[in-house]
Amino acid sequence: KQEVTQIPAALSVPEGENLVLNCSFTDSAIYNLQWFRQDPGKGLTSLLLIQSSQREQTSGRLNASLDKSSGRSTLYIAASQPGDSATYLCAVPNASGGSYIPTFGRGTSLIVHP
Amino acid sequence: GAGVSQTPSNKVTEKGKYVELRCDPISGHTALYWYRQSLGQGPEFLIYFQGTGAADDSGLPNDRFFAVRPEGSVSTLKIQRTERGDSAVYLCASSLAGTPGEQYFGPGTRLTVT
Repeated sequence: KQEVTQIPAALSVPEGENLVLNCSFTDSAIYNLQWFRQDPGKGLTSLLLIQSSQREQTSGRLNASLDKSSGRSTLYIAASQPGDSATYLCAVPNASGGSYIPTFGRGTSLIVHP
Repeated sequence: GAGVSQTPSNKVTEKGKYVELRCDPISGHTALYWYRQSLGQGPEFLIYFQGTGAADDSGLPNDRFFAVRPEGSVSTLKIQRTERGDSAVYLCASSLAGTPGEQYFGPGTRLTVT
């Protein structure tokens, strides 16, 4: 059974810092990995989707890397801003009866203060 | 275009009552997922539809939970004889094709069982 761990659980930084959020998974036979952002009381917003054949994906100040063999993904946030404050979750599809159902980590709660 | 919508946004019910939660996916998305999220946790998979049929219902916790998607668009999650432990945020997501495509989430329904 796939298990997904996110470290750190919480992070508080001053504005402008470059950040690294970590996601590790136990079963490296994955199809893809998706990073989400969740604001308090809201649903999840997709940030980046990395296919298993890819090493990284970039969108604006966000860069996500994937190392399948070691079971790790990293979300890099450049020049953090207060608006980046949210919980960041990673999800890895787990093969189940022919479908691939995502297993989510518990998230990293990020606060960027001015 | 419109994203995934869920109604109601909040639902308070008494223990033992029946509730229905509605999800309206993005138009044209054939895959629809239901998740449950407790405070401080990542979303936990409940059921996945491909078109009108439930392709994977392995996440439903017991037979009090049931979901339908009769016309392959809107889905309703039904909970009978609610218990206090059912209190959580219920999230719906849709994707263009089957698993494991990129998922788009609705804002969720916060269910409170008193």
